[in-house]
Amino acid sequence: KNQVEQSPQSLIILEGKNCTLQCNYTVSPFSNLRWYKQDTGRGPVSLTIMTFSENTKSNGRYTATLDADTKQSSLHITASQLSDSASYICVVSATGNQFYFGTGTSLTVIP
Amino acid sequence: GAVVSQHPSWVICKSGTSVKIECRSLDFQATTMFWYRQFPKQSLMLMATSNEGSKATYEQGVEKDKFLINHASLTLSTLTVTSAHPEDSSFYICSARGTGGLSPLHFGNGTRLTVT
Repeated sequence: KNQVEQSPQSLIILEGKNCTLQCNYTVSPFSNLRWYKQDTGRGPVSLTIMTFSENTKSNGRYTATLDADTKQSSLHITASQLSDSASYICVVSATGNQFYFGTGTSLTVIP
Repeated sequence: GAVVSQHPSWVICKSGTSVKIECRSLDFQATTMFWYRQFPKQSLMLMATSNEGSKATYEQGVEKDKFLINHASLTLSTLTVTSAHPEDSSFYICSARGTGGLSPLHFGNGTRLTVT
């Protein structure tokens, strides 16, 4: 069964600290993995997209990693800011137009 | 960058009426658009895949006669919630995918539907 699991479900960190969010998947055949940021009441915004051959990809203070062998990905946020408070969603794509969504990690950055 | 416009951003309607939500890709053509429903503190739940010029593909458990989807052009898909009931109150989001296997999904900003 194609599934995407994210952990932790929620996370609270102090402003300026780093954090890492996890995404494990069982989607096959794998096409690519995307991380999205969703602010409350808004649509998700793409942060990174990685294919099978990519191990890491950065977008500013966001760095995503992918281990296609173990089917794991992480999203590392450096020097967190209050505006990083949001839901982070991992989406794994199989071939074609099939997308599998994780349940998201709710991040709260406090001053 | 690619933009998906969703309208309206919020709507309040009376029980029994129908509501139409529009999703437009503003600067790219989208042969496929997706409609999602999201409950508070939960992830997006795919409702249906909208294909330009053909019938939508609905996920299991989604009533196609209640959630009417029309994808009449490469830049517009609409979702009509027919005979809305309070339990249909939710956050509805659309997404569109550009051409190319690695093109990201671009999401609209969602529509908050409240049925009274």
